[in-house]
Amino acid sequence: QVTLRESGPALVKPTQTLTLTCTFSGFSLTSSGMCVSWIRQPPGKALEWLALIDWDGDKYYNTSLKTRLTISKDTSKNQVVLAMTNMDPVDSATYYCARGNDYGDSFDYWGQGTLVTVSS
Amino acid sequence: SSELTQDPAVSVALGQTVRITCQGDSLRSYFASWYQQKPRQAPILVIYRKNRRPSGIPDRFSGSISGNTASLTITGTQAEDEADYYCNSRDSSGHQRVFGGGTKLTVL
Repeated sequence: QVTLRESGPALVKPTQTLTLTCTFSGFSLTSSGMCVSWIRQPPGKALEWLALIDWDGDKYYNTSLKTRLTISKDTSKNQVVLAMTNMDPVDSATYYCARGNDYGDSFDYWGQGTLVTVSS
Repeated sequence: SSELTQDPAVSVALGQTVRITCQGDSLRSYFASWYQQKPRQAPILVIYRKNRRPSGIPDRFSGSISGNTASLTITGTQAEDEADYYCNSRDSSGHQRVFGGGTKLTVL
């Protein structure tokens, strides 16, 4: 059974760095074609893709946010971590991690999401 | 181009067929996938690799592609299909992923 769960702070202050952890089970991120992505959704707004890390350790970022994002993985812990620097109130959103089972061409399992609010 | 364009809202009568479209240049080269999202829930994959359904997705959901436009068709729409629908694909470079702006489907 594939599961993903996001964890991290619910509240961060402007200019701080947000660090989110995706802990997954039921698959291995070392299997060819496997990926984990981070996706966010501000309240009432659309999904926005943020970053992806694949089985080979290659990393891809949303161009508009690339300077602020770092994605990494710890395969021994079955975790993927996303760091986003210089947080702003407009970054308030539900952050999801999702598995890409098809070289990242689709995301077949999602975590329940974690709501992050940026406020002083 | 890294954009995928969707109509913001579509309505359909109960039991009828509805098509939700997603337009973008990258769709000429890369697969589209489709996600259903109900309020306060995480998205669910309903179509991938153009027209494949994950296990558990009803066969009334289907996908297609024509040129730079991907479509999600729901045949015999049910009340429980009322949701937001998002398309997803790669950008023109093939490295980034991108979501469309979403379509709110109302079942009348």
